[in-house]
Amino acid sequence: KAGVTQTPRYLIKTRGQQVTLSCSPISGHRSVSWYQQTPGQGLQFLFEYFSETQRNKGNFPGRFSGRQFSNSRSEMNVSTLELGDSALYLCASMDGLASSLGSYNEQFFGPGTRLTVL
Amino acid sequence: GENVEQHPSTLSVQEGDSAVIKCTYSDSASNYFPWYKQELGKGPQLIIDIRSNVGEKKDQRIAVTLNKTAKHFSLHITETQPEDSAVYFCAASQGGGADGLTFGKGTHLIIQP
Repeated sequence: KAGVTQTPRYLIKTRGQQVTLSCSPISGHRSVSWYQQTPGQGLQFLFEYFSETQRNKGNFPGRFSGRQFSNSRSEMNVSTLELGDSALYLCASMDGLASSLGSYNEQFFGPGTRLTVL
Repeated sequence: GENVEQHPSTLSVQEGDSAVIKCTYSDSASNYFPWYKQELGKGPQLIIDIRSNVGEKKDQRIAVTLNKTAKHFSLHITETQPEDSAVYFCAASQGGGADGLTFGKGTHLIIQP
């Protein structure tokens, strides 16, 4: 099976702009989670989507949003970009609902999208 | 919410020696503890995980131990090799594979030839 793919791999934007990142999960996986990775804060959970519904959300402002399509592909959007949004954005797919009690399925991460805000 | 502390931030060992990375967590309800390896330019890759009903798990040169009472877990790598050089992350969650995995800040493992 092909792995998790993310596009684009690199992005450069300026403050105030908005950006959309895309994630295609492994075929058959219905859960997609998004994480932000920065040198200072490390890996932080943004949100999880399952069957086109947001199931869980981390502690990020409303400028960060996402959606999932019927084919499980997911997009995340960041509006009104700030310098601090510069980060590696990772998505991870999983077979099953990640936040389900008793669910221990492995998460598979994509290579990430490197976003630079100038 | 959950808080995961990871030490050390950098670890340098001679090839062939063992490496140990330690993590502590705060939420006693956490019951799933994966370890990820991240190489430059790649996403994290799961290398081993442990559930709260198990005290130790081993997979070839890699082992993880869990002490629920003390709320800490450790990664042990024996007979280290150059390809073990990477950043390692521990994580904790309640309920399973994600549910907002809370990650440690990472350990940069350097294998000296």
